[in-house]
Amino acid sequence: QVQLVQSGAEVKKPGASVKISCKASGYSFINYYMHWVRQAPGQGLEWMGIINPSGGSTSYAQKFQGRVTVTRDTSTSTVYLELNSLRSDDTAVYYCARGSESANWGQGTLVTVSS
Amino acid sequence: QSALTQPASVSGSPGQSITISCTGTNSNLGTYNLVSWFQQRPGKAPKLILYEVSMRPSGVSNRFSGSKSGNTASLTISGLQADDEADYYCCSYAGSSTYVFGSGTKVTVL
Repeated sequence: QVQLVQSGAEVKKPGASVKISCKASGYSFINYYMHWVRQAPGQGLEWMGIINPSGGSTSYAQKFQGRVTVTRDTSTSTVYLELNSLRSDDTAVYYCARGSESANWGQGTLVTVSS
Repeated sequence: QSALTQPASVSGSPGQSITISCTGTNSNLGTYNLVSWFQQRPGKAPKLILYEVSMRPSGVSNRFSGSKSGNTASLTISGLQADDEADYYCCSYAGSSTYVFGSGTKVTVL
């Protein structure tokens, strides 16, 4: 069955960077796009970016342009989200989601940004 | 991209039907039939319940249906059940490989 397993919770200071992983299994990794979506405490879902694991092409929400990088490692079927220059309002649960329609989601990774 | 507009809350009694609207612009909903709906329970990851406006993934109840007209998409839940109480989000393709979510709607079963 399809599984997306994300890395564990992170605590970072303002200005730092964080890199979260999403390891996929149970399907052909290169055949499905992967989204990154975040949700701040008590808030709604926010789309951040997408990667085509086949060629590595990416697209990002304008809000995060220049601050976010999504990469993949096809040898381990893993997608990564790196967010730089962290601020307190980046505190959120970050999710990966498979496919253009996001049919499968990871369990979420809580990133806390606090001094 | 601004978030798509959804009502903050919708409520209904068991057995009733409710409809959640999702309003966008000509840059997203008005141009593309790539609208998905997600159900999210507290503390859980979102679950896909509709894609491409009205398509249901395997295992999703046929009590969930979707439609779109112009810049507005709609999710209808018929035969409302206590288990339907959750947050619901729409999501639309917005061109250039970007997507945008709705603001979210809390469904309460009275």
